[in-house]
Amino acid sequence: ETGVTQSPTHLIKTRGQQVTLRCSSQSGHNTVSWYQQALGQGPQFIFQYYREEENGRGNFPPRFSGLQFPNYSSELNVNALELDDSALYLCASSLDYLYEQYFGPGTRLTVT
Amino acid sequence: KNEVEQSPQNLTAQEGEFITINCSYSVGISALHWLQQHPGGGIVSLFMLSSGKKKHGRLIATINIQEKHSSLHITASHPRDSAVYICAAINYGGSQGNLIFGKGTKLSVKP
Repeated sequence: ETGVTQSPTHLIKTRGQQVTLRCSSQSGHNTVSWYQQALGQGPQFIFQYYREEENGRGNFPPRFSGLQFPNYSSELNVNALELDDSALYLCASSLDYLYEQYFGPGTRLTVT
Repeated sequence: KNEVEQSPQNLTAQEGEFITINCSYSVGISALHWLQQHPGGGIVSLFMLSSGKKKHGRLIATINIQEKHSSLHITASHPRDSAVYICAAINYGGSQGNLIFGKGTKLSVKP
């Protein structure tokens, strides 16, 4: 059974650019949640997708958007990158939105 | 004030010591996760519990819903236990099951 995978591992972007991060959920899981973790802080909830629909959103601006595909993999898109967007982006999948979440290794984004 | 508070923020122990990490929350929750994060970022789920106590190897987690408090205990600590331990509250009251995280406790176990 394959766990949660994320790509890329590391990414460097310039302020104002756009970025897409990808997450493959664990087999059989229909829910993907995205989190942002700034250095030295706990993760913050960005949004969750359940069966291809957004199922909740944290306090992030609209330039953070997402998508979930029929195979339940997911993308996180960030437009107009700002320096404060530099962080570790974590995705987690679960069997259903009420179940335990399993985390991927994260994507480290640096905005210069 | 964070909705989920952990203490201590940093903890240094000698190998073999018994370790306790505490988590208090101010929100109504349905369950609580204890997570382990190693340098490099990967997060591993240790426990999800909604009442009582769970044990896995040298790790024990307890929760008191009435007191809004949970503890993670590590018995016979080992240097490989060195990591950041994070508690995260989950509330199933709405349609979303997102996690509200504490800031983490950085544990360093010296040989």
